[in-house]
Amino acid sequence: SQQGEEDPQALSIQEGENATMNCSYKTSINNLQWYRQNSGRGLVHLILIRSNEREKHSGRLRVTLDTSKKSSSLLITASRAADTASYFCATAYYLSGNTPLVFGKGTRLSVIA
Amino acid sequence: DAGVIQSPRHEVTEMGQEVTLRCKPISGHNSLFWYRQTMMRGLELLIYFNNNVPIDDSGMPEDRFSAKMPNASFSTLKIQPSEPRDSAVYFCASSSTGGGANVLTFGAGSRLTVL
Repeated sequence: SQQGEEDPQALSIQEGENATMNCSYKTSINNLQWYRQNSGRGLVHLILIRSNEREKHSGRLRVTLDTSKKSSSLLITASRAADTASYFCATAYYLSGNTPLVFGKGTRLSVIA
Repeated sequence: DAGVIQSPRHEVTEMGQEVTLRCKPISGHNSLFWYRQTMMRGLELLIYFNNNVPIDDSGMPEDRFSAKMPNASFSTLKIQPSEPRDSAVYFCASSSTGGGANVLTFGAGSRLTVL
C-alpha cells in the first residue's frame, strides 16, 4: 500500500500550545498535501509541499518534508479551539496530472479551551 | 461557486435495496474522484474520472458498485444490491490540472446506512 501513515492517531492539547503531527509514506512522490476534516464535514485542503521543497508556511501552519526519510510534519502554532479536527496527509503516487491522492487515516486533534 | 455538491446527505436503506449517490463537481474541474470513509479503513479511493472517462476503478469493492459520469457536471455512484458493510460516508471530490498540482475540493459527503 502507498498509504501515508499519520502519527499520533490522536492528540489533545491546551489552547495556545503548538500541535505537531507527522506523516510517513512509502514511495516517491510528486507532492504531499495536508487536509483538515471537521466532524461531519468534507476534507478541506490546507497546504501543499512539492518534493523539491523542504519547508512551507501558511499562516499558523508550517509543513516540512524530508524525502530521504519519506516523512512530513505539520505544525500548528498557537492552537485554537477551532483547530479541533482530524488532519490527513495525502500523497500523489503518479508524477503529474490529475492523479488520485492516497490518504492516511489521520490524526484527531483536540484543542481544549 | 457553490463547491462540490453531493446528494443525498444522509441515506438509510435496507439490505438489498439500490442506492444512488450523486455528485456535481466544480465547474471547470476536469477530474472527479469518489472516496469512501470508514473508521476501520479510513479514506479509500473507489474510482476516478478524467474528462468524464473512468481511469481507474480498481478500488471499487465489488460488481455491486458502479459509477458513471455522463457529462462534465454530473456523476453517480450506484450500489445494487446494498449490504450492511457498505455503510460509510461517501465523498466526491473534483480537481483541475491548473499548476500541475492535484488539489482536491471535497463535497460534504453522503452518509449511507444499510440496515
